Amino acid sequence: DTGVSQDPRHKITKRGQNVTFRCDPISEHNRLYWYRQTLGQGPEFLTYFQNEAQLEKSRLLSDRFSAERPKGSFSTLEIQRTEQGDSAMYLCASSLAGTGGYNSPLHFGNGTRLTVT
Amino acid sequence: RKEVEQDPGPFNVPEGATVAFNCTYSNSASQSFFWYRQDCRKEPKLLMSVYSSGNEDGRFTAQLNRASQYISLLIRDSKLSDSATYLCVVKGPMTTDSWGKLQFGAGTQVVVTP
Repeated sequence: DTGVSQDPRHKITKRGQNVTFRCDPISEHNRLYWYRQTLGQGPEFLTYFQNEAQLEKSRLLSDRFSAERPKGSFSTLEIQRTEQGDSAMYLCASSLAGTGGYNSPLHFGNGTRLTVT
Repeated sequence: RKEVEQDPGPFNVPEGATVAFNCTYSNSASQSFFWYRQDCRKEPKLLMSVYSSGNEDGRFTAQLNRASQYISLLIRDSKLSDSATYLCVVKGPMTTDSWGKLQFGAGTQVVVTP
């Protein structure tokens, strides 16, 4: 399967703990996005990378959140000192951005469901 | 005001009927528009892009009205498998602060009944 893969699928953690999620995008895609989705809402943009450069971060991304894409391939999203409000589905997506502003549609991974107790 | 707004539904549709719903967006400079489909507890998947002149993909028709800042999706001859949440997605303009990120609506739930 050459789609976007995310690990783990589910994570249960206690409040105050740190968690890290991984995303492996489609190999030829140069853009990688992180979104967060809670029940009854659409995905909310968190951040995105073009290759290894983090180009934009949402105001939703507090200082407890950090994302990296060190080699322009896989990405990690870390949440420090988790809070119950962090419970959500964390979705990763990738796309291919070309010249002239072209951007292929986003392909999403299955998501990581985080529960903070 | 949210940047992308949708009627959450649910739209209960008898099998074989037609259903249509809209999505409004606030930024008149928005560049691109899409409909994604999301099944319960699954990831969103692209259903179709929305072009200025309107476009069809089988039983699905998408329209864009830039003057009134909304897009629409129409599903003809509804199938049970069309039951899902339909997410409206709008690509914002490129600015000094944004490279045109995609904004999702909260989704419209469609339930097709036998």
